[in-house]
Amino acid sequence: RKEVEQDPGPFNVPEGATVAFNCTYSNSASQSFFWYRQDCRKEPKLLMSVYSSGNEDGRFTAQLNRASQYISLLIRDSKLSDSATYLCVVMYSGTYKYIFGTGTRLKVLA
Amino acid sequence: DVKVTQSSRYLVKRTGEKVFLECVQDMDHENMFWYRQDPGLGLRLIYFSYDVKMKEKGDIPEGYSVSREKKERFSLILESASTNQTSMYLCASSPPHSGDGYTFGSGTRLTVV
Repeated sequence: RKEVEQDPGPFNVPEGATVAFNCTYSNSASQSFFWYRQDCRKEPKLLMSVYSSGNEDGRFTAQLNRASQYISLLIRDSKLSDSATYLCVVMYSGTYKYIFGTGTRLKVLA
Repeated sequence: DVKVTQSSRYLVKRTGEKVFLECVQDMDHENMFWYRQDPGLGLRLIYFSYDVKMKEKGDIPEGYSVSREKKERFSLILESASTNQTSMYLCASSPPHSGDGYTFGSGTRLTVV
């Protein structure tokens, strides 16, 4: 079993739709959680950190469920520019290393 | 903003060549990392460093070595390039408490022929 698992997609959604991605992690010692966005042939960029209480940044909402060991990303009112691959990232306590999921590809259609 | 610069965007090398990939960051970050990214496999950690002259093996260090002689520079070395090392190589840096997130360089797409 992979340490961090994501549905690869693609998720094809119309503009304006709400879409949600989940990511599961296997190590309960995981401490920090992030969502990164990666455009085609570009480097990953930090989208948002995921806090235990959940957090929101504009149209984006991230949530953490430690009991079930998953994090989620919700995108409301999807824009064409949201088309990208979204990477789930987990860091274990006491390490410097991030563990990346393989990403979920989103296509927002006009 | 933190800037992480990788010396080459695209690189083509021959099998058996020694290859150097350079990465420089300008924000005095302690931690630096080298990943490779392949379709379906995601990002895999090759080596990382949390201080000058310090290095730790990641998940796939075979065939690679690294050098960190100065805090701002972290070099990845392919001792004898092979075709299975054709990949996108990404360098990243972060402050000591990695809970703040990594910043990535723009990547080097290496093709070994």
